[in-house]
Amino acid sequence: DIQMTQSPSTLSASVGDRVTITCRASQNINNWLAWYQQKPGKAPNVLIYKASTLESGVPSRFSGSGSGTEFTLTISSLQPDDFATYYCQQYESSSVTFGGGTKVEI
Amino acid sequence: EVQLVQSGAEVKKPGESLKISCKGSGYNFTTYWIGWVRQMPGKGLELMGIIYPSDSDARYSPSFQGHFTISVDKSISTAYLQWSYLRSSDTAIYYCARQSCSGGSCYSDYFHHWGQGTPVTVSS
Repeated sequence: DIQMTQSPSTLSASVGDRVTITCRASQNINNWLAWYQQKPGKAPNVLIYKASTLESGVPSRFSGSGSGTEFTLTISSLQPDDFATYYCQQYESSSVTFGGGTKVEI
Repeated sequence: EVQLVQSGAEVKKPGESLKISCKGSGYNFTTYWIGWVRQMPGKGLELMGIIYPSDSDARYSPSFQGHFTISVDKSISTAYLQWSYLRSSDTAIYYCARQSCSGGSCYSDYFHHWGQGTPVTVSS
């Protein structure tokens, strides 16, 4: 399996901050990467796919970049609704795998 | 509107069997892979396996081999996850999720739609 490593595991931030989360793949996944947001007690919700394509309806303060083995999710100005846990997922291989998650807290 | 509606919460004892369900609507159920994702208490997301409803082609993640079965009844647009004997370590929330792209060759993709989750508690 391709291993996905996210950092940091927890991030403390304030409303208005610029936030960056990193996801590293154990091998080249080209740009086959998605980012999800999950709030407590809810199912995950896709934010970005193909590393940098914003899902319809997702605010433009979210952006994704990277290719190969290193990727980032950036929130340009953190809003109260953005406090949640974020996961990356590779889908380059037939056995898709998720990162361990990054909790963004106040 | 695409919807995946899962069966309700379950409380079981170790050794018991269980089958949970995921009913799809609002799209052509047979042409999109559906996956089952486990989330253990306070932990991250893990794909257990996926199934293509058109021909019931099921693929299991290597780290999950052998302990459960994924199936589908396309006549009622429903996917299933079942265990013949539960262990306490099966306590988790289980999500079904539909991949974004359509077609049998599209088995490696991101998940565009998710069910609401089925909490399963296994305790003596």
